[in-house]
Amino acid sequence: QAALTQPASVSGSPGQSITISCTVITSDVGTYDLVSWYQQYPGRAPKLIIYEGNKRPSGVSNRFSGSKSGNTASLTISGLQAEDEAVYYCSSYEGSLNYVFGGGTKVTVL
Amino acid sequence: QVQLVQSGAEVKKPGASVKVSCKASGYSFRSFAVHWVRQAPGQGLEWMGWINPGNGNTRYSQNFQGRVTLTRDTSANTAYMELSSLTFEDTAVYYCARTHPFDSWGQGTLVTVSS
Repeated sequence: QAALTQPASVSGSPGQSITISCTVITSDVGTYDLVSWYQQYPGRAPKLIIYEGNKRPSGVSNRFSGSKSGNTASLTISGLQAEDEAVYYCSSYEGSLNYVFGGGTKVTVL
Repeated sequence: QVQLVQSGAEVKKPGASVKVSCKASGYSFRSFAVHWVRQAPGQGLEWMGWINPGNGNTRYSQNFQGRVTLTRDTSANTAYMELSSLTFEDTAVYYCARTHPFDSWGQGTLVTVSS
């Protein structure tokens, strides 16, 4: 089993960089490489923006990047823009054919 | 292009069941798992389970074990999620999503449980 912990909120000014953490607690260390990140606007379905820790799907801005250090995966948004204001979720395989989401982080552009 | 189109909103009474459909197009339906995720009002995403359309194998989150049933109709390229014994706490938007990472999502189906 795995649990994913995210901060409830992160804010930044336009042009700044912000980082959202996703702390992975799992008995299967292999799941660290399977963290994906999703962006969700109010009333809309989530959208995949990072997968396998640091890969971007086609069409996703290169202002979004993923990384990992120890048991924490991170999403960095560079050159913050007003359109980046949304809720961001991390997700991972937790073993035994199950999957899990973090609680979500609301990003506010000041 | 890959597309998942879900059935429309539902209103159910407590104790009833609901069945939501997810029609896939633009790819080989049998080749990719279909997952179901729900989101209660103002809350985060909750993974419910997944089905392998190729062989019908399923895996359910322990949170829904015994109440959720995932099925598919390969002739119609459609996956289904049925949730039984509904309570007010099951009021949520239910999404289907393709495989993991979840690279394509349905538009969501609002299920409202109300007496």
